[in-house]
Amino acid sequence: QSALTQPASVSGSPGQSITISCTGTSSDVGGYNYVSWYQQHPGKAPKLMIYEVSNRPSGVSNRFSGSKSGNTASLTISGLQAEDEADYHCSSYTSNSFVVFGGGTKLTVL
Amino acid sequence: QLQLQESGPGLVKPSETLSLTCTVSGGSISISSYYWGWIRQPPGKGLEWIGCIYYSGSTYYNPSLKSRVTISVDTSKNQFSLKLRSVTAADTAVYYCARLDYSTYPFDYWGQGTLVTVSS
Repeated sequence: QSALTQPASVSGSPGQSITISCTGTSSDVGGYNYVSWYQQHPGKAPKLMIYEVSNRPSGVSNRFSGSKSGNTASLTISGLQAEDEADYHCSSYTSNSFVVFGGGTKLTVL
Repeated sequence: QLQLQESGPGLVKPSETLSLTCTVSGGSISISSYYWGWIRQPPGKGLEWIGCIYYSGSTYYNPSLKSRVTISVDTSKNQFSLKLRSVTAADTAVYYCARLDYSTYPFDYWGQGTLVTVSS
């Protein structure tokens, strides 16, 4: 099972916007609108931030948004804040096996 | 508030079987539209999906681990369990249990995770 492809790291300054990509295939990201995004601070469990490509669970800041084009999904964080520094993981339903995760992206707030 | 808690040995010898249990509180495991899953994270690496189970016992496994994994459920105890056979050092990881919303496939509730080290 091949993991979804994410950049290893991204960075941005406070107040800026950043985008993290998550690339898959037509069997997962491209074929279904079941992409989720998770935020993970060091030593903590992942927290669901986005589901179904662009939906935010209750309590998640509207600074977090999601989108998809073809086989690539994206997470955008606007108005970057220090507490946004964390690892971000994408996942998708896959017709090959059920669920697949990306390799994770480390976000650094400069 | 739904809570999940992993439990099991933190140290397993190579070639032996890793066994973990996830206890669900604050809600029933026997609820439709949700699967219950295991995910692991090797030190410094990304998340890897291991498998999921429905309260009826229906399972899905990661093909790369399928030959070594068994996930089971005990609805009377509101628990589900993971067994990973023939472990090696590569199986050293933090193991998480989580709930999967079967309608849109996000893991919406997670346990805190438990570190399992494979070493003699």
